[in-house]
Amino acid sequence: KQEVTQIPAALSVPEGENLVLNCSFTDSAIYNLQWFRQDPGKGLTSLLLIQSSQREQTSGRLNASLDKSSGRSTLYIAASQPGDSATYLCAVRRSGGGADGLTFGKGTHLIIQP
Amino acid sequence: GAVVSQHPSRVICKSGTSVKIECRSLDFQATTMFWYRQFPKQSLMLMATSNEGSKATYEQGVEKDKFLINHASLTLSTLTVTSAHPEDSSFYICSARKPGYLQETQYFGPGTRLLVL
Repeated sequence: KQEVTQIPAALSVPEGENLVLNCSFTDSAIYNLQWFRQDPGKGLTSLLLIQSSQREQTSGRLNASLDKSSGRSTLYIAASQPGDSATYLCAVRRSGGGADGLTFGKGTHLIIQP
Repeated sequence: GAVVSQHPSRVICKSGTSVKIECRSLDFQATTMFWYRQFPKQSLMLMATSNEGSKATYEQGVEKDKFLINHASLTLSTLTVTSAHPEDSSFYICSARKPGYLQETQYFGPGTRLLVL
């Protein structure tokens, strides 16, 4: 059974700092990996999606890497801003075809101090 | 982007009653929708996969007779929690897979918070 772990569970840093969020998964047979942000009372917003054949994806100040063989992914946030405060979730999709749902980690609760 | 809505956003009900939650894809057709549940400080857990025009596929440990899923159209899936009990209180969130480019991406609804008294 796939398990996804995110470290740290919570993180509070001053505005402007660069930071790294970590995600690990136990079964390397994944189809892809996604990073989401979850804001209180709102749904999930997809940030980055990395296919199993890819090593990294970038979007603006966000960069996500994937090391499938070791079962790890990192989300790098550059020049953090208060608006980045949210819970960040890592999720993997099972390998193979069909309509598979996602397996999520518990998330990292991030607070960016103004 | 793609928009997915859920209704209601919050619901409080008495133990033993049934509650229906709707999930709609507003600007695209979704042959596949997913239902997740999130307990406090826990991960989102996949409950079931909803396929338009066919029976839902439930994850292990999820009672299909308790959590009824209907995906009658390409834009609507419903989850009915039958004979709800306090332990069913949770945050229920749906997602829909948009076909075509980046079809692997799931678009999530805002969630429904259920409280069973």
